[in-house]
Amino acid sequence: ILNVEQSPQSLHVQEGDSTNFTCSFPSSNFYALHWYRWETAKSPEALFVMTLNGDEKKKGRISATLNTKEGYSYLYIKGSQPEDSATYLCARNTDKLIFGTGTRLQVFP
Amino acid sequence: EPEVTQTPSHQVTQMGQEVILRCVPISNHLYFYWYRQILGQKVEFLVSFYNNEISEKSEIFDDQFSVERPDGSNFTLKIRSTKLEDSAMYFCASSETRTGANVLTFGAGSRLTVL
Repeated sequence: ILNVEQSPQSLHVQEGDSTNFTCSFPSSNFYALHWYRWETAKSPEALFVMTLNGDEKKKGRISATLNTKEGYSYLYIKGSQPEDSATYLCARNTDKLIFGTGTRLQVFP
Repeated sequence: EPEVTQTPSHQVTQMGQEVILRCVPISNHLYFYWYRQILGQKVEFLVSFYNNEISEKSEIFDDQFSVERPDGSNFTLKIRSTKLEDSAMYFCASSETRTGANVLTFGAGSRLTVL
């Protein structure tokens, strides 16, 4: 993998469903992986910065895992709520952030 | 909570005109960045700035682009002669230290439309 890739591109779920999406990145010369949450017309908001293989981080109902050897990170949302609707961006750090295309999540009440 | 502010939120300009996008980073941050997102595409790095000079710039950041920190608080991006393909959302960001495990704080963006 040469670039940062995210899947799926978009996701529609019902309120209360749990969901997850994937970020894939080049595993060589890894330094850190960032997850951002971006609501329309607002600033992208940092969720997690992950550096160690096997890292797991949690913020409320949102959690993330990191596998640096195989080059992927998962973001999980437990019991999705309408306010979780946003685009979720991951970015690999070199000395600048290289972003994926994002996963656009829509949670329906 | 401290935030990065950007002005204008939306600018419409004619092709060939000069545009200046302004950013006020968080006051104790030392590293500043501009990113952009063309509609439907990835957020792309343009330039990083530290100690009053460019640290790194991407291929996108050609001679038509420039950045400066004129007064110690504002951080500006100038596009000298805009092209249609410059239409995008431009994001300013700042961080305390160089990007690594350190978080970038982004502004809400300036949408540039070139006609």
